Amino acid sequence: DADVTQTPRNRITKTGKRIMLECSQTKGHDRMYWYRQDPGLGLRLIYYSFDVKDINKGEISDGYSVSRQAQAKFSLSLESAIPNQTALYFCATSDSRAGETQYFGPGTRLLVL
Amino acid sequence: RKEVEQDPGPFNVPEGATVAFNCTYSNSASQSFFWYRQDCRKEPKLLMSVYSSGNEDGRFTAQLNRASQYISLLIRDSKLSDSATYLCVVIGMTYNQGGKLIFGQGTELSVKP
Repeated sequence: DADVTQTPRNRITKTGKRIMLECSQTKGHDRMYWYRQDPGLGLRLIYYSFDVKDINKGEISDGYSVSRQAQAKFSLSLESAIPNQTALYFCATSDSRAGETQYFGPGTRLLVL
Repeated sequence: RKEVEQDPGPFNVPEGATVAFNCTYSNSASQSFFWYRQDCRKEPKLLMSVYSSGNEDGRFTAQLNRASQYISLLIRDSKLSDSATYLCVVIGMTYNQGGKLIFGQGTELSVKP
């Protein structure tokens, strides 16, 4: 089984809809991250969390919110989706006791029409 | 100026070739550097860390030049399986740096028979 899982893997939604992307990990890591990837722009950090209930804005947090209710889960919400939020979204985890390597989930492809 | 910039690519090389990727970063206080590999439509995975003294892992050699704020990755004897996008990654320097990765846009490598 994968250590970092994301659901759904693919999603098509309409402008204005609220959607939630889920991330779960079995690695026991304390830190979790959400990124989006767009062609030619690389990965950009949306939000990150160093522990349960700890939430920090990343580079591009506008239009997004997150929840970290348990160490193993970190969810990303788009309150009112817009077309320029069409992207590939990755969740990642890291262990603060074991260096800075981040482990990524398989990604969620989101299309906002 | 982007915080992390890479060769735009793509690089198309024959099997057995040696190929070098370059990356520059803007924040002179950055401390940690990595190369990640991303296969098409998959998640990024750590390839290797980059140390001041340089480091080698099989056919892969990473170098760091702090004075020039420059990182390189050399791949010798390229294999078809090396075809991927290579991401230069720098740990961002804000409060409690704690694993906030800043990604370059990636350089695509295609190794041909």
